[in-house]
Order: sequence, then C-alpha cells, then structure tokens
Amino acid sequence: DTAVSQTPKYLVTQMGNDKSIKCEQNLGHDTMYWYKQDSKKFLKIMFSYNNKELIINETVPNRFSPKSPDKAHLNLHINSLELGDSAVYFCASSQDIRARVEKLFFGSGTQLSVL
Amino acid sequence: DAKTTQPPSMDCAEGRAANLPCNHSTISGNEYVYWYRQIHSQGPQYIIHGLKNNETNEMASLIITEDRKSSTLILPHATLRDTAVYYCIVRGWGSDTDKLIFGTGTRLQVFP
Repeated sequence: DTAVSQTPKYLVTQMGNDKSIKCEQNLGHDTMYWYKQDSKKFLKIMFSYNNKELIINETVPNRFSPKSPDKAHLNLHINSLELGDSAVYFCASSQDIRARVEKLFFGSGTQLSVL
Repeated sequence: DAKTTQPPSMDCAEGRAANLPCNHSTISGNEYVYWYRQIHSQGPQYIIHGLKNNETNEMASLIITEDRKSSTLILPHATLRDTAVYYCIVRGWGSDTDKLIFGTGTRLQVFP
C-alpha cells in the first residue's frame, strides 16, 4: 500500500483552465502539506493542514485553494491556470506539525504542465 | 529561507563511504538537523535526524559537531541507487508554523 498517494501523476492542460490534484494518506497522520518544485528544482512549501485546519499558507496566490475533507485527504484546486504554475506538486504528511520530531512522508508528485 | 549551506555537488565511488557536509552556524537550541534525499523523479525521502548526539540508522549515520554548527551525513557503502539530491534542514518545534524548508541541497553522484 502506498503511504501517500496523489493523482494524477501527470496533468497537461491549457492556460485558464481549472484543475484539481488529489492526495490521500493512509498513515493515520494529522498533518498534510502541499509543496511545489519548480523547474530549477527549488522545493517550496505552499500549505499545511493539521486535522483539517489550515496552519500554513505561504503567500500562495488565491487561485490555489486547498481543501481537506478529512485528515486523510488534502486536495489542491487551481483556478485560471497560468504558465508559471507548471511545476511538480508534492503532497506530504507527518504525524503532527507540532511534534518535537517531525518526519515527512512524500507522495510521488504530480507533474503539471500548462500550455 | 534555508538556514543551511551545502556544497552543490559531490562524487563518490560505489562501495566507498559518502560524506556529505552541512553548515548550520545559526542553529538554535531547539532546532533539530534533518536529512532528506530526492532521487530523480521521486518525492523526497526522510533519512535521519539529530539534535546533538551522533545518530545511526539503517540508511545512514549523522555526525553533529559539539558546537552544533555543522554536521555530516555518512552513507557507509554508497551504491548507484544512492545517487540523489541530499537536503540538510534545520527545524525547530513547538509551533504550528514550524516547517521543513528545503534549500538547494547536494547532488551526490555515485559512479561505478
């Protein structure tokens, strides 16, 4: 069983479209994240949710809207896609962001290409 | 911004030990040192963490200097599958906003 799974693996779409990426973790963790890795391979945190509550929002454009229906799922919806949104998006989870030691488990990534 | 400094790239012969350095001169008392790696086209993978003592697990060893301003990740017998980007990260705890901030890492190339 994959611990952190995200779908789709590849997403190719036109500018202006709206798309969603789904993430699920079966580790029983309380905290989930979205990270973005751009073409220069910089890995940046976007959002963090703890028990369905938004904890971290790293000044991401409001075209990006995370949604956490329950603590095992954190989906990312992107409106009005732009060329600069092309990147690999990684979902991750951890036991609890407030823990003394926090190990993140990452999904395999979703490669988004905006044409 | 990342609080660590790592060399951009290193090479290592297969079967030899790979020693990856990291400087974290501004580390504070409650911050742990974490190492992750990212193999091409995969998500980052946790390797090891430490506070002030040396640590060892099935993947690697972590040596932290006494002043905690630097550390070294040791892969004792590197294999081709260890070729990856290795990230050294410092992170505090106790706050909702503590988070892992990834820097540019060290690209380790293991060659036959």
